[in-house]
Amino acid sequence: SQQGEEDPQALSIQEGENATMNCSYKTSINNLQWYRQNSGRGLVHLILIRSNEREKHSGRLRVTLDTSKKSSSLLITASRAADTASYFCALFGNEKLTFGTGTRLTIIP
Amino acid sequence: DGGITQSPKYLFRKEGQNVTLSCEQNLNHDAMYWYRQDPGQGLRLIYYSQIVNDFQKGDIAEGYSVSREKKESFPLTVTSAQKNPTAFYLCASSRTGGAGGYTFGSGTRLTVV
Repeated sequence: SQQGEEDPQALSIQEGENATMNCSYKTSINNLQWYRQNSGRGLVHLILIRSNEREKHSGRLRVTLDTSKKSSSLLITASRAADTASYFCALFGNEKLTFGTGTRLTIIP
Repeated sequence: DGGITQSPKYLFRKEGQNVTLSCEQNLNHDAMYWYRQDPGQGLRLIYYSQIVNDFQKGDIAEGYSVSREKKESFPLTVTSAQKNPTAFYLCASSRTGGAGGYTFGSGTRLTVV
């Protein structure tokens, strides 16, 4: 089934810097969503971007979507220690959400 | 407050036993889902249900069974036929169709001993 691939697999940055993670996919989608998972916990929905949208913002989050390149990026600005988590892109199509393997983000205080 | 409750948080099973993981939601969501997550990996869909008394297999349904007798509840049974059941199991729910985003429970960590 369709699955997004996140890049990089792991990312470490200093607190206050911006973090960018990317998601590429191969099939057509209805929408693309980003989730955060703290270690050993459930996932939290961050932001959703529809296939006819190119960019969305939510607080310190900015998501872009390029359907011609089948790729999306998540930018977290002014990172904080609390942003340390795994981030997953998820593709919605055929009534199901399919998740990628995630990017492990570590914010260094 | 509305949300999804998974229980237990930790579960130990002997080989050859069936175990049932509980998932209850009070969000009035029609759709519910079960995912499996292995260490350092993404989530894989086991089963999902869009409406009461109906459910569909996901990508890795073998060795698992579910029921959806009530809108609020979607229990998952891990049977002895599941060859490698040790994993983190996540339940989620969404409004009809699921296009608007999922709400997840806090997960159940199952270990076979």
